[in-house]
Amino acid sequence: GEDVEQSLFLSVREGDSSVINCTYTDSSSTYLYWYKQEPGAGLQLLTYIFSNMDMKQDQRLTVLLNKKDKHLSLRIADTQTGDSAIYFCAEDDGNNRLAFGKGNQVVVIP
Amino acid sequence: DTEVTQTPKHLVMGMTNKKSLKCEQHMGHRAMYWYKQKAKKPPELMFVYSYEKLSINESVPSRFSPECPNSSLLNLHLHALQPEDSALYLCASSPEPGGGQGAGTGELFFGEGSRLTVL
Repeated sequence: GEDVEQSLFLSVREGDSSVINCTYTDSSSTYLYWYKQEPGAGLQLLTYIFSNMDMKQDQRLTVLLNKKDKHLSLRIADTQTGDSAIYFCAEDDGNNRLAFGKGNQVVVIP
Repeated sequence: DTEVTQTPKHLVMGMTNKKSLKCEQHMGHRAMYWYKQKAKKPPELMFVYSYEKLSINESVPSRFSPECPNSSLLNLHLHALQPEDSALYLCASSPEPGGGQGAGTGELFFGEGSRLTVL
């Protein structure tokens, strides 16, 4: 089965860039995802990348995928206080199931 | 309407109570999901309904009983819960059981969750 690993905590100053990393060990997923969860809220799909892509840019978000190393990253440019949240990477197993990483809490310092 | 609405937002119940969590979406989505999330942990899948039929039960104890009365509604009936069942229960939907349009299986739309405390 899929096993998705993430680091736990990141503190970043407002206006700086933040990078969140994720590794996965077993995947034939077509897509990989980044979800954001603000305090007291549900998860929100931020962005996703097709597995045959290396990079995807979406406004302040840049997703990098290294399939050889099974490494996925999310870069947030010009981090804002509203970006404070827990970020989960996820991959689908092709059977209507998402395997989520442990999550990475990002705290933006004004 | 692009929302998944969950009620109640908070629920406190005793171990002998019977209660229900409700979820509603009016996006025409044909797949609906229940997830359980403990603090600081990722969501864990409990159930999936596809076209109003239960398609996945992740070996959830029978004290949790899902119900899909129609394509817009999803309920989770709770009975004889344990304190360790206290968690945030998240409902989600997707346009098709295989996911969204162009984003694959994992394009889920989540509600804000129902925070359950079992005393």
